[in-house]
Amino acid sequence: GIQVEQSPPDLILQEGANSTLRCNFSDSVNNLQWFHQNPWGQLINLFYIPSGTKQNGRLSATTVATERYSLLYISSSQTTDSGVYFCAVEGEDNFNKFYFGSGTKLNVKP
Amino acid sequence: DAGITQSPRHKVTETGTPVTLRCHQTENHRYMYWYRQDPGHGLRLIHYSYGVKDTDKGEVSDGYSVSRSKTEDFLLTLESATSSQTSVYFCAIMTGEGSTDTQYFGPGTRLTVL
Repeated sequence: GIQVEQSPPDLILQEGANSTLRCNFSDSVNNLQWFHQNPWGQLINLFYIPSGTKQNGRLSATTVATERYSLLYISSSQTTDSGVYFCAVEGEDNFNKFYFGSGTKLNVKP
Repeated sequence: DAGITQSPRHKVTETGTPVTLRCHQTENHRYMYWYRQDPGHGLRLIHYSYGVKDTDKGEVSDGYSVSRSKTEDFLLTLESATSSQTSVYFCAIMTGEGSTDTQYFGPGTRLTVL
């Protein structure tokens, strides 16, 4: 299956700081999504972004499909942003099979 | 939350016993998924369904079976639970068919096999 690597694995920020999370994938994709898993374990969909750029409030994401990576930007971080961020991809040759990265664990300190 | 519920939310069982986890959705989405989450592995796909009685294997399907007799319910069965199946299990649905497919997850089931 498709390989998905996320970096950094861990990130500690002071409240108000900005950050960039990266997702690299090994093959062409049909679908790419970013998720946030909050400290209570709930997985929340942030973006569907197989290519291009999207913004939602303080969060934005960019996927450069030709170079096989996606970036998630968090601006003016808040303590509620803490948790684990996952990237998930569906390869062009593996329809409907989603592969997740190991995640970036973010801790935003007040 | 796309109307997804999972039951039970927590279960402790013994090695060798059968276990069935249920995922229920209220919005008649065609695609449903079962994942497991273990430390250091992110989420891994076990099985998925693309319609009633239509299922396929995922990345880590050994030791698991699934059934979907109604659109709203997707069952995951561990025929004979092993300690390696201790995990958190998430069900997901996918909205849309095509260019805007997005997954939404249930709250998870924490399974402990002693």
